[in-house]
Amino acid sequence: QFVLTQPPSVSGAPGQRVTISCTGSSSNIGAGYDVHWYQQLPGTAPKLLIYGNTNRPSGVPDRFSGSKSGTSASLAITGLQAEDEADYYCQSYDRRLSGSRVFGTGTKVTVL
Amino acid sequence: EVQLVESGGDLVQPGGSLRLSCAASGFAFSSYWMNWVRQAPGKGLEWVANIKHDGSETYSVDSVKGRFTISRDNAKNSLYLQMNSLGAEDTAVYYCARDVGAHHGMDVWGQGTTVTVSS
Repeated sequence: QFVLTQPPSVSGAPGQRVTISCTGSSSNIGAGYDVHWYQQLPGTAPKLLIYGNTNRPSGVPDRFSGSKSGTSASLAITGLQAEDEADYYCQSYDRRLSGSRVFGTGTKVTVL
Repeated sequence: EVQLVESGGDLVQPGGSLRLSCAASGFAFSSYWMNWVRQAPGKGLEWVANIKHDGSETYSVDSVKGRFTISRDNAKNSLYLQMNSLGAEDTAVYYCARDVGAHHGMDVWGQGTTVTVSS
């Protein structure tokens, strides 16, 4: 039940800034639910990257930032580095789906 | 160290059953909601089910309702997923993840256990 849409892929050269969008609806992001972001490096488990729309857990570099507006959210990576090449997922909640958590479709970030 | 370790993944025939386990350590397991999240080969993350800290509430995605049951044993610091009537569409890596609430997301993940449904 993918209700959050992300671009399949984004790419950028080292040092550049890339953004990943997460588009929802009035039933999830637009209903005021927080958005969280996860990074999944190849062959590993997901890792919480951004929580509560804009907050970084301890240890996450400040080149990662999140924002939210209306029915969408965004993850920005500034000063792109080779080790940022990974899959990124947004996650929120949907009032139509009792108790559930919903993930975005995922975005592959490629460092050129 | 806060840790989640899944086990129980295996190759199972279509229509078969499997029980996954997730052992928690390093934190007060009984205080947290817990989730199962899966990832089919080459696909994205899919939330499967979750359970309240005391086990009194459970929720699951429509595609597993009636087939999968999430449960926990707080005395053993363990989370479980009983999976019945398995089909090829259930082939995935299954992760358990600690839920710290709507404002904080899932902050601890296990390494995953692989379930393959095939004849």
